[in-house]
Amino acid sequence: GAGVSQSPRYKVAKRGQDVALRCDPISGHVSLFWYQQALGQGPEFLTYFQNEAQLDKSGLPSDRFFAERPEGSVSTLKIQRTQQEDSAVYLCASSLVEAGAGYGYTFGSGTRLTVV
Amino acid sequence: KQEVTQIPAALSVPEGENLVLNCSFTDSAIYNLQWFRQDPGKGLTSLLLIQSSQREQTSGRLNASLDKSSGRSTLYIAASQPGDSATYLCAVGPDNYGQNFVFGPGTRLSVLP
Repeated sequence: GAGVSQSPRYKVAKRGQDVALRCDPISGHVSLFWYQQALGQGPEFLTYFQNEAQLDKSGLPSDRFFAERPEGSVSTLKIQRTQQEDSAVYLCASSLVEAGAGYGYTFGSGTRLTVV
Repeated sequence: KQEVTQIPAALSVPEGENLVLNCSFTDSAIYNLQWFRQDPGKGLTSLLLIQSSQREQTSGRLNASLDKSSGRSTLYIAASQPGDSATYLCAVGPDNYGQNFVFGPGTRLSVLP
């Protein structure tokens, strides 16, 4: 597609519920990133994929967070047993080549997760 | 660990003013720096990308400069308009493959008509 697409746009989850957030990157983009943005803060890195390989997951806050990109295109971020502190906007970005190669990122509009 | 700060945290100016937003980073070993705009409830829109070998980039009323050695970048907005009201974020790109951009906290800009 023309841009990075994320769904759902908004998600309200009850505490303890599992959620799955989807990201469709720009076609052919090698790199895919997930960021978490708390209210009033800048985005913070969660995880990075180069094609289907998850090369960095150092930003995932706990083992309740899991991400996958099985075919090197669409990615899913799953959060198990959601807690209130998980409430944030989850942003997905893609880049044409591998991270650190000097290209910029294109971001999706994000998924706003509210845990009640 | 790279740390990025932005000053001021918030700025309110009357329409027509020229303004400067500041971004500082602690590790000068960067490959590039990208400025983004974020409207409330929306994702990030890329404004300018400066490679570490460049000193500045221009797009319309926007000009971004980079001083890698001092760890600073500025975003200059000329003749501000109410439509410029948004949060402006800078993100520093690493010079090592496989590493990710590190964001600053942003500057919230309000341009008053």
